[in-house]
Amino acid sequence: DTEVTQTPKHLVMGMTNKKSLKCEQHMGHRAMYWYKQKAKKPPELMFVYSYEKLSINESVPSRFSPECPNSSLLNLHLHALQPEDSALYLCASSQPGKTGKSGYTFGSGTRLTVV
Amino acid sequence: KNQVEQSPQSLIILEGKNCTLQCNYTVSPFSNLRWYKQDTGRGPVSLTIMTFSENTKSNGRYTATLDADTKQSSLHITASQLSDSASYICVVSASGKSTFGDGTTLTVKP
Repeated sequence: DTEVTQTPKHLVMGMTNKKSLKCEQHMGHRAMYWYKQKAKKPPELMFVYSYEKLSINESVPSRFSPECPNSSLLNLHLHALQPEDSALYLCASSQPGKTGKSGYTFGSGTRLTVV
Repeated sequence: KNQVEQSPQSLIILEGKNCTLQCNYTVSPFSNLRWYKQDTGRGPVSLTIMTFSENTKSNGRYTATLDADTKQSSLHITASQLSDSASYICVVSASGKSTFGDGTTLTVKP
């Protein structure tokens, strides 16, 4: 079982809905990430939080709003999404910094469908 | 521009056979290289992590090699099983940023 837990596993939402994706880790990692992955493509970085502060926003549209309430939790708030936003959304965590032994631990993802 | 190129794009092998996946990168300055296995619709799972000084790293039937001089890595799978069918992604990190390869889709047939 993964040590990064994402909920829900599947989500279908209309374009006018507001929903949230949740991610939780208890490995003591202080960096957390949101990735978007389309079919047969590698994950694309959306946001990075380091020590609970947003450090990277890869020019993501404002209809995606991240939140890091504490060092173990990461949320992604969704509002007014488009059908092309349908994808697998992955959360990951790691130790921040340049240590060579660091690596991501990914969650199992949330399969989002926008109708 | 940092790039990670994986080959082949897809591969079909028979159960029990060995295979080798390739990863070439231009990422600099190099920090570490990771291989992940991703089942369809699931999150990637780490197989190996290698730093500059490591030439080889094994995880069960998976063995990764790294040549930092030529900037090439390979992932060798021994005695393949049906459960090895997945995408294998090479990720190279530099200065805290990671570059993902497009992955190799492996299909193991009985």
